[in-house]
Amino acid sequence: DVKVTQSSRYLVKRTGEKVFLECVQDMDHENMFWYRQDPGLGLRLIYFSYDVKMKEKGDIPEGYSVSREKKERFSLILESASTNQTSMYLCASRGTDYNEQFFGPGTRLTVL
Amino acid sequence: AQSVTQLGSHVSVSEGALVLLRCNYSSSVPPYLFWYVQYPNQGLQLLLKYTTGATLVKGINGFEAEFKKSETSFHLTKPSAHMSDAAEYFCAVSDGSNYQLIWGAGTKLIIKP
Repeated sequence: DVKVTQSSRYLVKRTGEKVFLECVQDMDHENMFWYRQDPGLGLRLIYFSYDVKMKEKGDIPEGYSVSREKKERFSLILESASTNQTSMYLCASRGTDYNEQFFGPGTRLTVL
Repeated sequence: AQSVTQLGSHVSVSEGALVLLRCNYSSSVPPYLFWYVQYPNQGLQLLLKYTTGATLVKGINGFEAEFKKSETSFHLTKPSAHMSDAAEYFCAVSDGSNYQLIWGAGTKLIIKP
């Protein structure tokens, strides 16, 4: 079974802090994604990576950056956290069949 | 451009009743279609998918969905709701041309005892 893990389930940070969210997958998938999920807005794509060191902006990249130094690891970085970045963050990797995505358990981030 | 519409942000059914969650999509080519489920404070889990072949697809936990090309629909059903089905359900579509899935806004299923 594919396993996608995220470094924290719950995180509380202060405004202005630099925040790192880590995601690791164990299936050698090339493509990985970061989404944020807010009530009533569904899943919104922040960034995705189609290979090591390759990244593309999604629908809402402002205030975020990403890093993909190794194939299995995809990091989301909040350079200076703000209260409007309080959200659930979901990482996913894409399998080889039909664009199916496999999700981690999510990180619920609160910025105070 | 592709899009996905899920009718109803909240659907409430009684335990033992039929569950019907609606999903309509727009796509210029035959799509791949997915339903995912999200239990509270968890990630998304694949329920079922349609790629090619038989249009009635069976998934986990007794759910099934039917791809109807003429109606551009992929509605999710379960004959008899159980309390454990309470969750949020997401429909997604891909035309295979890129790596991404296009997501519906989600439907929260509420089960009444």
